[in-house]
Amino acid sequence: GAVVSQHPSRVICKSGTSVKIECRSLDFQATTMFWYRQFPKQSLMLMATSNEGSKATYEQGVEKDKFLINHASLTLSTLTVTSAHPEDSSFYICSATRDRGNSPLHFGNGTRLTVT
Amino acid sequence: GQQLNQSPQSMFIQEGEDVSMNCTSSSIFNTWLWYKQEPGEGPVLLIALYKAGELTSNGRLTAQFGITRKDSFLNISASIPSDVGIYFCAGREWQGAQKLVFGQGTRLTINP
Repeated sequence: GAVVSQHPSRVICKSGTSVKIECRSLDFQATTMFWYRQFPKQSLMLMATSNEGSKATYEQGVEKDKFLINHASLTLSTLTVTSAHPEDSSFYICSATRDRGNSPLHFGNGTRLTVT
Repeated sequence: GQQLNQSPQSMFIQEGEDVSMNCTSSSIFNTWLWYKQEPGEGPVLLIALYKAGELTSNGRLTAQFGITRKDSFLNISASIPSDVGIYFCAGREWQGAQKLVFGQGTRLTINP
């Protein structure tokens, strides 16, 4: 089946630094990837839609200059949390779909970000 | 934005019991998906539904796409300890809309 790999699984950084999270589709080309954020005991909140070769589409309330998304190839999207603050601490999850149709989304294993 | 109403929010059951949870929406969906998430991991796809009325099974799991296209349910039969986790419904509102709307999740706890 489809596999989405996310790296790193955990990261601890100091306030003010930037952190990059990678999302790779391992056995298929993903024209579209999605980045979600999840707070403890809550559901997944869509942050942005990442389209290969074009600018990401951000959901309302998500700062595009804070959460930089780059989808440079059909198998890789990156999320960079810039100038991280403790309130950015969360579980970030990427997902990818094989095509633009009705294929299910497959999720990575998530990245636990802790900003100290 | 669109929200899915998932219930119940939590369930505490005995091993061997059957489980039922459901999701409803205020608008028509063209795809319903059910995921399971365990602590510290991403959601894993359990069942995908594409047609109104569709009933699909995956082992002890059965899910249905409601005929009104505004609801879906997931049943788990003869629960076992490894069924513990959070179950999320998710849906797509229209053909070609790839992003998913998620329910609030159902936290399943099983007493052995």
